[in-house]
Amino acid sequence: QQQVKQSPQSLIVQKGGISIINCAYENTAFDYFPWYQQFPGKGPALLIAIRPDVSEKKEGRFTISFNKSAKQFSLHIMDSQPGDSATYFCAAGTNSGYALNFGKGTSLLVTP
Amino acid sequence: KAGVTQTPRYLIKTRGQQVTLSCSPISGHRSVSWYQQTPGQGLQFLFEYFSETQRNKGNFPGRFSGRQFSNSRSEMNVSTLELGDSALYLCASSLQGRVTDTQYFGPGTRLTVL
Repeated sequence: QQQVKQSPQSLIVQKGGISIINCAYENTAFDYFPWYQQFPGKGPALLIAIRPDVSEKKEGRFTISFNKSAKQFSLHIMDSQPGDSATYFCAAGTNSGYALNFGKGTSLLVTP
Repeated sequence: KAGVTQTPRYLIKTRGQQVTLSCSPISGHRSVSWYQQTPGQGLQFLFEYFSETQRNKGNFPGRFSGRQFSNSRSEMNVSTLELGDSALYLCASSLQGRVTDTQYFGPGTRLTVL
């Protein structure tokens, strides 16, 4: 059973546009929410992470928005660039745990 | 420092065979996790090892097993291969294996079962 639901499955955005990927979870024990970025032929790499004590975290062009009451979080990529074309995974886990639960991934294509 | 390495990078096997995949973590990392990546299911957690002990296991059949050596290197084994085992197998290492530790992924081993 998928504990983290991610949408959309794929996304095409024009250069300079905003890419938005959404995730939802059910387990209220989750208290750590990272996003991973994966380029073809490579393993995923940590992009940005958030804890539920803040509603937003920004790192450069990447922002995580977190809505605890709705049990949803999203990744916004501002001024999207062709180099951002990759697969993005959201994940969730408990601070005291040892395993992350990943979403199914979103394939992002940024067109020139 | 060197990243996570996985060998082999590609593997082709036939149904019923068994396979062993290897993972060398980043120096100093004591935790190794294994994931199965498929187009339909994304990343699914297999198991996590810390100091040669399996601490957590995902929802996979007993055909999937693993171990960790004293130098933190890890292997995973899949016995009696099925067509559905075709996937990218990723390992990730981290300092202590806690969820909040950054996991560093290797490039994966692409397993094809014919």
